[in-house]
Amino acid sequence: DSGVTQTPKHLITATGQRVTLRCSPRSGDLSVYWYQQSLDQGLQFLIQYYNGEERAKGNILERFSAQQFPDLHSELNLSSLELGDSALYFCASNTFTTDTQYFGPGTRLTVL
Amino acid sequence: AQSVAQPEDQVNVAEGNPLTVKCTYSVSGNPYLFWYVQYPNRGLQFLLKYITGDNLVKGSYGFEAEFNKSQTSFHLKKPSALVSDSALYFCAVRGFGNEKLTFGTGTRLTIIP
Repeated sequence: DSGVTQTPKHLITATGQRVTLRCSPRSGDLSVYWYQQSLDQGLQFLIQYYNGEERAKGNILERFSAQQFPDLHSELNLSSLELGDSALYFCASNTFTTDTQYFGPGTRLTVL
Repeated sequence: AQSVAQPEDQVNVAEGNPLTVKCTYSVSGNPYLFWYVQYPNRGLQFLLKYITGDNLVKGSYGFEAEFNKSQTSFHLKKPSALVSDSALYFCAVRGFGNEKLTFGTGTRLTIIP
């Protein structure tokens, strides 16, 4: 168990809908990262937050947004969902001192 | 830009034999290299990392990896494979000052009893 938690584990929704994925980092970690894992794109970095501020952006669609709250948990919001958004979404957290990102169990999103 | 190549989609090894999963990378400056393992319906588990120092790094579950700067490689190894090592393995890299991890496409390791 990495100490990173993600909810829900599974999410099934329809095209055009909006969903929110939640992540709680390991105790003491200030950085949160979001990744998407799909069959055609592999594992891709989406976005990073550090202590509430956006730190880095990757291949994140404009329909997707994220935020990190004062208690350091983070949410990834996906809107106007398309079939191609079906994927496993991972959250990771780390501290500067170790440089290792520890991953949560992921949320599997299925868009029908 | 940083990138990782895992040239083998699938590696099959007999139980008890040594295993190697290959990884090559490209990054500006000194690399930070990582190996993760993914079991079915599970998240990514950290195995080991190279930041600096000894080129041979040891990690969890008896795995080790050898950093080779001249060949820009970071191959994952284990002296004696177990059936429970069967999983999907990812190599990842990031450069100094860049916290984003770039992953390879993954190698499915199957240990044959």
